[in-house]
Amino acid sequence: EAGVAQSPRYKIIEKRQSVAFWCNPISGHATLYWYQQILGQGPKLLIQFQNNGVVDDSQLPKDRFSAERLKGVDSTLKIQPAKLEDSAVYLCASSSTSGSLPNEQFFGPGTRLTVL
Amino acid sequence: GDSVTQMEGPVTLSEEAFLTINCTYTATGYPSLFWYVQYPGEGLQLLLKATKADDKGSNKGFEATYRKETTSFHLEKGSVQVSDSAVYFCALSDRAGGTSYGKLTFGQGTILTVHP
Repeated sequence: EAGVAQSPRYKIIEKRQSVAFWCNPISGHATLYWYQQILGQGPKLLIQFQNNGVVDDSQLPKDRFSAERLKGVDSTLKIQPAKLEDSAVYLCASSSTSGSLPNEQFFGPGTRLTVL
Repeated sequence: GDSVTQMEGPVTLSEEAFLTINCTYTATGYPSLFWYVQYPGEGLQLLLKATKADDKGSNKGFEATYRKETTSFHLEKGSVQVSDSAVYFCALSDRAGGTSYGKLTFGQGTILTVHP
């Protein structure tokens, strides 16, 4: 079974530029998550999708971050314009669901963003 | 809101030493608890999990017991190996419905280095 795919793996941009990240979840997984992991910290949820609908985006800085999941499969996360503090690893994860219990989340390799 | 606190790191041990990484949590309801591991250059992987009080999760010689009375989920291993060197994250997931369903809240991570 193929895992969660993310691209690019690395990205270096200047502040105020725009950047986009792509995620392809495991086939059949209805739930998709984007996390931000700043160096030395644990991952923090930015947004959660259930199929193509947003379940939780309470910690997404909506003035500069946006995300979409068209057709309930692939997802893109965009930052416009980027700030220095956006330097982090952006992780995508996906999971299936069984009744009321959350199933294991599978993580992609992440995209390491450096903002100069 | 939900939170996870891990012991201060980093942790440095000699091979075959006993390992304990402390983890305590604050959550409403009855969360599921997880330990994730991040090996150098790799993505996050689920190490073990427990979904209800007194459950013991185990994998690769690691164990952790869900203690509701002390709100703890400490990670232990009787004899560590050099290959266990990694960053370990304690996490919880809200099992209830609503917008936080499935969302993982992570601790800050503990760096483990094992020397031969």
